[in-house]
Amino acid sequence: QLQLQESGPGLVKPSETLSLTCTVSGGSISFGYYWGWIRQPPGRGLEWIGSIYYSGSSFSNPSLKSRVIISIDRPKNQFSLHLSSVTAADTAVYYCARHGGGGWGRGTLVTVSS
Amino acid sequence: NFMLTQPHSVSESPGKTVTISCTRSSGSIASNYVQWYQQRPGSSPTTLIYEDNQRPSGVPDRFSGSIDGSSHSASLTISGLKTEDEADYYCQSYDGDNLVFGGGTRLTVL
Repeated sequence: QLQLQESGPGLVKPSETLSLTCTVSGGSISFGYYWGWIRQPPGRGLEWIGSIYYSGSSFSNPSLKSRVIISIDRPKNQFSLHLSSVTAADTAVYYCARHGGGGWGRGTLVTVSS
Repeated sequence: NFMLTQPHSVSESPGKTVTISCTRSSGSIASNYVQWYQQRPGSSPTTLIYEDNQRPSGVPDRFSGSIDGSSHSASLTISGLKTEDEADYYCQSYDGDNLVFGGGTRLTVL
């Protein structure tokens, strides 16, 4: 059964870069599919951040595009998110997920605060 | 660009059937696949429906998805409601390579 697990710092200072990694188990990240990052600010709905194909091509939410880098590490079966110049508005639970009926991680809360 | 609009909340009694709509603001709902996610309180979302009407393994057939091109809407229908179905439900589709989420619907089973 496919499982995804987010990892990374729970606290990031304003203006710094938020970095998270999603580790995939129970299946290969190289088997195809798109792999995505989604976030949910406290008490609010879901917002798509960006996604990456197993080949490495990526795309991101136009509202965040200039700040988002998504990368993939096939040998480690992981993909990562880097969100630069964060502000308090980036405080949210961050989820990784597989497109197309795939699973979601349990999510990790990232707080932006000095 | 388009938006997906869902009712803010719906409620129904146990054992009944409820339908949650997801209306696309422009373009055909049939142009891009629609997914549905369930998020129980305090939990991460799970995929209920993908590619309009497909259920991942393990999702009960009480959950079904459909699209109606004439109304630009997708629907999630839950039959035989259980108290455990009380959750937030989100629809999602694609605008080119970009994912678009609906605002979510809170289902109360009372």
